Amino acid sequence: GAVVSQHPSWVICKSGTSVKIECRSLDFQATTMFWYRQFPKQSLMLMATSNEGSKATYEQGVEKDKFLINHASLTLSTLTVTSAHPEDSSFYICSARDSAGVVEQYFGPGTRLTVT
Amino acid sequence: AQSVSQHNHHVILSEAASLELGCNYSYGGTVNLFWYVQYPGQHLQLLLKYFSGDPLVKGIKGFEAEFIKSKFSFNLRKPSVQWSDTAEYFCAVIFNNAGNMLTFGGGTRLMVKP
Repeated sequence: GAVVSQHPSWVICKSGTSVKIECRSLDFQATTMFWYRQFPKQSLMLMATSNEGSKATYEQGVEKDKFLINHASLTLSTLTVTSAHPEDSSFYICSARDSAGVVEQYFGPGTRLTVT
Repeated sequence: AQSVSQHNHHVILSEAASLELGCNYSYGGTVNLFWYVQYPGQHLQLLLKYFSGDPLVKGIKGFEAEFIKSKFSFNLRKPSVQWSDTAEYFCAVIFNNAGNMLTFGGGTRLMVKP
């Protein structure tokens, strides 16, 4: 149980275009989902906390107009990277917390974004 | 500011050697503590966690960690590593004044030589 999927797993896009990444909790409901960014050989940095039915909470330094987050249902959160630039190339990882109240987060496999 | 630090960035061991990876945090309140492992090309997997109770917690694959509150530490240990333990290890903390937000340490890259 407690599986989180991400789609796509790998995407290449041209500079200036937008890319949408989906994060799904497959066998549990997730009131809260988290979006992280991981640069090569570095740790995960929290970008934002996504709450179902409300606006996401962004960490300091993360542009909310550039990284649009939508948490429309208890099993789906999306991250849209708007007007992508090469410096947005990174590994984006989502996690989900079971609405049943468990503190633990379950991580998705990540999405590698390359902007050319 | 609250933070999590892992002092060993790279560790190289031979098979059967013992492992201890350090994790320290800076916060005086209640914490929930986690160790995650990321094998090459794979996603994060939970090794073990501590919420309360016995400060020595056992996880999967023979790993254990000990919470020492007085030292603000949660070091990961394994008595005898295997080549398949080659991976990156992340310590993570939920500070009780930060909702359910995980703060990660910088990670430790472990290479086990066969």
